[in-house]
Amino acid sequence: EVLLVESGGDLVQPGGSLRLSCAASGFTFSDFWLSWVRQAPGKGLEWVANIKQDGSEKYYVDSVKGRFTISRDNAKNSLYLQMNSLRAEDTGVYYCARGPFTVIDLWGQGTLVTVSS
Amino acid sequence: QAVVTQEPSLTVSPGGTVTLTCGSSTGAVTSGHYPYWLQQKPGQAPRTLIYDTGNKLSWTPARFSGSLLGGKAALTLSGAQTEDEAEYYCLLSYSGARLWVFGGGTKLTVL
Repeated sequence: EVLLVESGGDLVQPGGSLRLSCAASGFTFSDFWLSWVRQAPGKGLEWVANIKQDGSEKYYVDSVKGRFTISRDNAKNSLYLQMNSLRAEDTGVYYCARGPFTVIDLWGQGTLVTVSS
Repeated sequence: QAVVTQEPSLTVSPGGTVTLTCGSSTGAVTSGHYPYWLQQKPGQAPRTLIYDTGNKLSWTPARFSGSLLGGKAALTLSGAQTEDEAEYYCLLSYSGARLWVFGGGTKLTVL
């Protein structure tokens, strides 16, 4: 089965750090760009970052530049999002997605990050 | 960063037709923005319905179609069904498809 499964979401204090993971299965992981997308409670979707197949290109939304780092391990079929200097406004469900540059057609179920004291 | 605009809410009658639109603060939406349309129901992950303006995925019901209309991307639902009640998001690409921006979403009510 073709699948993306996120993990690592937790309650963290403002200024803290968290690392999200996305495990892929059922397809050739190293063939695809991958993305992180988030959704604040009761709000819309926001694209966060994406990464090229070999990790050589990474792009971020302005609000997370310098704080978040997207990475991948093709040997482990895993995508990561290292989140530092977390703020209350980073609270939300974080989804990983397959794409772009191929059709963005596969989404994980999401993992919840709560930034609060 | 660009701002992508959608109608906040729309209502359609069962069996009726409705068009959702998606505009860009940078100017006309073109095929070069590779417009996507996604559907999200409460408590669920998003699901891609349309990509590259008007292409459908295998699970996309035939009653959904995508196009460019008057400088905007458009999603038309013909023959609305109650299960189509959901939030619909437009997604546009910028800077050679390396940066992506979602619209604020349209809450579609079938009533």
